[in-house]
Amino acid sequence: DAGVIQSPRHEVTEMGQEVTLRCKPISGHDYLFWYRQTMMRGLELLIYFNNNVPIDDSGMPEDRFSAKMPNASFSTLKIQPSEPRDSAVYFCASRFGQSSYNEQFFGPGTRLTVL
Amino acid sequence: QQPVQSPQAVILREGEDAVINCSSSKALYSVHWYRQKHGEAPVFLMILLKGGEQKGHEKISASFNEKKQQSSLYLTASQLSYSGTYFCGTEHLDGTSYGKLTFGQGTILTVHP
Repeated sequence: DAGVIQSPRHEVTEMGQEVTLRCKPISGHDYLFWYRQTMMRGLELLIYFNNNVPIDDSGMPEDRFSAKMPNASFSTLKIQPSEPRDSAVYFCASRFGQSSYNEQFFGPGTRLTVL
Repeated sequence: QQPVQSPQAVILREGEDAVINCSSSKALYSVHWYRQKHGEAPVFLMILLKGGEQKGHEKISASFNEKKQQSSLYLTASQLSYSGTYFCGTEHLDGTSYGKLTFGQGTILTVHP
């Protein structure tokens, strides 16, 4: 299995531009998570899906952030417009089944820099 | 609410032991431990489900004290490869966090030769 795949691995953009991050979860996993990691705030959960349906988006910082999961093998996180404070590493993770019994598998992350 | 990890950082020589604690202000349902090396993604270590449960993985083990709402990670006879940031992720009994983990701020472990 290829594991969780994220693209791009690095993204440098200018303030005000739209940014789209992509994630392909492990086949057969029914949960998908988007995290943001910064030195100041650590590893924060932004949103998670179960069977392609958003379950909890309480961690999404602002209306500038949106996430979709059109099918079981693809999800996007979009930031529009981007701001310098959005600079962070964004991780996607997937899991099969309920959290109490199963581990989350993290993708390699996308390092976003907003100038 | 984010669990609190202690210490924030620890420096060891190869062969020394370390303990990392993870405390929650809310009743715990499960605790997950991950390790992240610099520039890489977090990697799963273990899950603890019940109060008082202990689990082990080679020389890394963990306990879960339900009464104290705390979990501890024990690293025995540390190796250079143990260096990294250790995170605990918690799931709570109150129903609001079911299905998702809240991660602590991390403990940076550095092992020197």
